[in-house]
Amino acid sequence: EVQLVESGGVVVQPGGSLRLSCAASGFTFDDYAMHWVRQAPGKGLEWVSLISWDGGSTYYADSVKGRFTISRDNSKNSLYLQMNSLRAEDTALYYCAKVAGRPTVGAFDIWGQGTMVTVSS
Amino acid sequence: DIQMTQSPSSLSASVGDRVTITCQASQDISNYLNWYQQKPGKAPKLLIYDASNLETGVPSRFSGSGSGTDFTFTISSLQPEDIATYYCQQYDNLPPAFGGGTKVEIK
Repeated sequence: EVQLVESGGVVVQPGGSLRLSCAASGFTFDDYAMHWVRQAPGKGLEWVSLISWDGGSTYYADSVKGRFTISRDNSKNSLYLQMNSLRAEDTALYYCAKVAGRPTVGAFDIWGQGTMVTVSS
Repeated sequence: DIQMTQSPSSLSASVGDRVTITCQASQDISNYLNWYQQKPGKAPKLLIYDASNLETGVPSRFSGSGSGTDFTFTISSLQPEDIATYYCQQYDNLPPAFGGGTKVEIK
């Protein structure tokens, strides 16, 4: 079964750091670009970051640039999001998502269940 | 950055009704437009890719059309299980961007 499972979401204080993980199974992980998408409580979807299949290319939303770092370990079929200098507005459910096909950007055909990050004192 | 404007933000329709949602891009995105369904408490699900292609396993009552800046998503006959929020998403340019969503309810 093709599956993405996120973990690492917790309650963290403003200014704190956190690393999210996304474990992939059921497909050849290193064939595909991967993305993080977040959703604040009661709000819409916001794209956060992408990484190419080999980790050679990354891109970030302006709202997280310089604070978040996306990475992957293809030997472990895992995607990561290192989140530093967290702000209240980073509070959201964070999804990892797989791109359909070989492009770096496209349709997100597989999503995880999400992991909740709450930034609060 | 490309902005995606979805309308309406919410709608209420009866079972069996035809439902139409529009999505407008702030610039030409060709057909690089996808549609997702998100049910309460669930992750989004891909329904339509490249503006008009139905994802495998998605019921044929769902369809999409358009190109350039104006796109339409249609449910030909609304079913109770279609209660959800629907999002468009462009990927012509980075960053990829989602529309604000359309919440569909049963009247």
